[in-house]
Amino acid sequence: AQSVAQPEDQVNVAEGNPLTVKCTYSVSGNPYLFWYVQYPNRGLQFLLKYITGDNLVKGSYGFEAEFNKSQTSFHLKKPSALVSDSALYFCAVRVLSGGSYIPTFGRGTSLIVHP
Amino acid sequence: DGGITQSPKYLFRKEGQNVTLSCEQNLNHDAMYWYRQDPGQGLRLIYYSQIVNDFQKGDIAEGYSVSREKKESFPLTVTSAQKNPTAFYLCASSKQTGVETQYFGPGTRLLVL
Repeated sequence: AQSVAQPEDQVNVAEGNPLTVKCTYSVSGNPYLFWYVQYPNRGLQFLLKYITGDNLVKGSYGFEAEFNKSQTSFHLKKPSALVSDSALYFCAVRVLSGGSYIPTFGRGTSLIVHP
Repeated sequence: DGGITQSPKYLFRKEGQNVTLSCEQNLNHDAMYWYRQDPGQGLRLIYYSQIVNDFQKGDIAEGYSVSREKKESFPLTVTSAQKNPTAFYLCASSKQTGVETQYFGPGTRLLVL
C-alpha cells in the first residue's frame, strides 16, 4: 500500500538546538515528497519538496530535508530551532489513486520549541 | 493579491441541515481539493477536482458533495447524511494534481449545534 508515516506525534527541542521531524514513505515508482507547516487555526504553508536531483533540499525559514532512498525517508531538519518554529508539521507524498497522482498526508507531528 | 479564500471562518450546523462551505481561488489553478482535519488524524481527502465540471471522490466522500462549475470555485456541501461533521475543513489548489505544490486556504471550522 502507498502511504506516508510520521512516527512521532510530538517532538520537543530546546531553542538553539538542532531539530529533526521524521517522515517515511512507501510508494511505487519515484517518490514526490513535500513538507508543510500549520500554525494554530490556519491553513497549511508549503516548506519544501523533493522531486528529483540533490538529496538535500533547502526550503523556507531555514528548514531543509534529506531524501534517503534506501531508508525511504524524508526527514525535516533545522540546525538551530526557534520558539516561533513551534507548529504542526505535515509530510506528504503523491500516490496513485483512481488514475491520478494525489498528495497523501501523514498524521502530522507537533513541534514544540522550549525557550 | 493572489490566493485562496474560504468562508465562513466558523459555521454552525443544526441536526438534519445541509451546509455549504465556500472555496475560491484566483491563482488560475486547475486542481482543487477538500480535506477534513481532525485532531491526531492528519488531513483526509474528501473530494478533488482536476478540471472544471469534473471531480473525484477521496477517502472519506460519504456524506459530502461538491460542484466545480467554475475554475475559481469549489464549494463543499456537508449533507445531513454526514453524522459526525464537526471538524476543521481545508480547501487547497494546485496547478495540476501530483507534483505541484498545494496552496491552502485559512480553513472553516464546522460545529454542530
